[in-house]
Amino acid sequence: DTAVSQTPKYLVTQMGNDKSIKCEQNLGHDTMYWYKQDSKKFLKIMFSYNNKELIINETVPNRFSPKSPDKAHLNLHINSLELGDSAVYFCASSPPGALRNEQFFGPGTRLTVL
Amino acid sequence: GDSVTQMEGPVTLSEEAFLTINCTYTATGYPSLFWYVQYPGEGLQLLLKATKADDKGSNKGFEATYRKETTSFHLEKGSVQVSDSAVYFCALSDQNDYKLSFGAGTTVTVRA
Repeated sequence: DTAVSQTPKYLVTQMGNDKSIKCEQNLGHDTMYWYKQDSKKFLKIMFSYNNKELIINETVPNRFSPKSPDKAHLNLHINSLELGDSAVYFCASSPPGALRNEQFFGPGTRLTVL
Repeated sequence: GDSVTQMEGPVTLSEEAFLTINCTYTATGYPSLFWYVQYPGEGLQLLLKATKADDKGSNKGFEATYRKETTSFHLEKGSVQVSDSAVYFCALSDQNDYKLSFGAGTTVTVRA
């Protein structure tokens, strides 16, 4: 009964490739997020969707494209991967209303670009 | 813009020692404040929170008090265990916003 799940857990790929990371939550939340954590553990939000609509889009290269087919899923597609994209990517979700900033995180996807 | 500053780590201490991690913030309005914890190889988990001045959040022996006058939300635990070894993140959120602003994280290692 995993709350927020991500696949794959590890992703090793070559520069220039296109890859996707999938995220699913079974908590019934209506808001989902993608974060990037660099090698120094610094955590930065990339995107957020509420009820399948984009509500946060930080300064992220347009090679990154999120897609939310329904409220329970938020996938991240990355085109033309670069060395600097190597990081751990976390998906998160949160409930509506006053608790919306109590975010539940997935286990992370460690992306290594060679 | 809103921001969070945490004490830099890493912090290494012995079991049963007292832990304090300092956190100060800059925000317009009246933010909610949070501590998240990331255990090795895992995602972040909410540890505790406070939504208004003088509120105290507590969980698993950890405490933090929302101090508006000093714009601080320091995390404390009186007696740490090896299982408390993790990275601790202070965060804030404007009550009208979905976005969490995180501090840089503090790595804590507790030795037996």
